[in-house]
Amino acid sequence: GQQVMQIPQYQHVQEGEDFTTYCNSSTTLSNIQWYKQRPGGHPVFLIQLVKSGEVKKQKRLTFQFGEAKKNSSLHITATQTTDVGTYFCAGHASGTYKYIFGTGTRLKVLA
Amino acid sequence: DAGVTQSPTHLIKTRGQQVTLRCSPKSGHDTVSWYQQALGQGPQFIFQYYEEEERQRGNFPDRFSGHQFPNYSSELNVNALLLGDSALYLCASSLEGFNTEAFFGQGTRLTVV
Repeated sequence: GQQVMQIPQYQHVQEGEDFTTYCNSSTTLSNIQWYKQRPGGHPVFLIQLVKSGEVKKQKRLTFQFGEAKKNSSLHITATQTTDVGTYFCAGHASGTYKYIFGTGTRLKVLA
Repeated sequence: DAGVTQSPTHLIKTRGQQVTLRCSPKSGHDTVSWYQQALGQGPQFIFQYYEEEERQRGNFPDRFSGHQFPNYSSELNVNALLLGDSALYLCASSLEGFNTEAFFGQGTRLTVV
């Protein structure tokens, strides 16, 4: 079945450093979504990517969808303590209604 | 405008019991999906309801069942609870379609003892 993996599993950075998490799907995706989950909270939608090679930016966050639509990345520039949480990608395969969530990357930012 | 609301927020049940979790979708949303999130893992898709029908199901046993009401609210039922069913159960609502943004509720934390 379809699997979505994320690396790294954990990342500790000093405040101000950059951070990147990578998402890889075993199958081609029709679109991919990214979520942030704070400790004790629920996933919050960040963005959706649909087109091959698409790049979207939200302030310090840059999201990219691979050319083959099987991988994606989230890059945070100059991390802040408010960026702490677990970042999940969720891949959607064509012809299905379900999203397969990645394993998540837990980010800790040290002040 | 209320977002997605789930009840109860926390629940403790004994093995073998049955449980019902409830979800009210965001105003205007007609599609409800349920996910199970074990500690330290990503949410796992249970099923999705649209027009009061289950239209897609993940790899969960028949002990997991659901319902959607005419007002789009939904219930998740789990029978014969196992210790392994302990998890955060998330409800996500969206508009109908493949590429629509999902809004998650705060979840119900179920503990089976």
